[in-house]
Amino acid sequence: ETGVTQTPRHLVMGMTNKKSLKCEQHLGHNAMYWYKQSAKKPLELMFVYSLEERVENNSVPSRFSPECPNSSHLFLHLHTLQPEDSALYLCASSHSASVPYNEQFFGPGTRLTVL
Amino acid sequence: SQELEQSPQSLIVQEGKNLTINCTSSKTLYGLYWYKQKYGEGLIFLMMLQKGGEEKSHEKITAKLDEKKQQSSLHITASQPSHAGIYLCGADNQAGTALIFGKGTTLSVSS
Repeated sequence: ETGVTQTPRHLVMGMTNKKSLKCEQHLGHNAMYWYKQSAKKPLELMFVYSLEERVENNSVPSRFSPECPNSSHLFLHLHTLQPEDSALYLCASSHSASVPYNEQFFGPGTRLTVL
Repeated sequence: SQELEQSPQSLIVQEGKNLTINCTSSKTLYGLYWYKQKYGEGLIFLMMLQKGGEEKSHEKITAKLDEKKQQSSLHITASQPSHAGIYLCGADNQAGTALIFGKGTTLSVSS
């Protein structure tokens, strides 16, 4: 248990569906992150939020829409996805997004399959 | 942009043997992180290294950041089945806002 939870753990959706991934951290951190992990590729940073403000958007297609209502919760809204979006989506949190040398704590991930 | 290369990509060792995984950066490292991942699960933080020459140990795992701060090594002594998994190195990105990662090294330990 890292203090970061993600739901659902597995999700199968069609290309026309709309779904959301949820992440919650119980560590009192101020920064939250979405990463995408595809087979045989390094983890790719998608979004960074610091104190509910988005500080980085790593050229992610608009079919992925993040939301951070407070410093403990992070959502990733999905719509009209493509099969190549199938991957493990990992959420992470850290004390701060503006200072290096602070480790990130990861959730267990959501395994997404787009049919 | 900075890239991290890990070697080897995969490794099979017999229980009780020692092993080393390397992480080489294309640019100077300012913060180097080692994580372990079980297949399909989240990452577990192992260690963070900041200073050139720094070495940290946790149980039977030792990590070192070389003096020039462009390479780190992770050494496991007397490997056990519980050490099996994917080891990833990460580094602070240029803006210091997030981490970039290597592709990982898959370790299998046979008993």
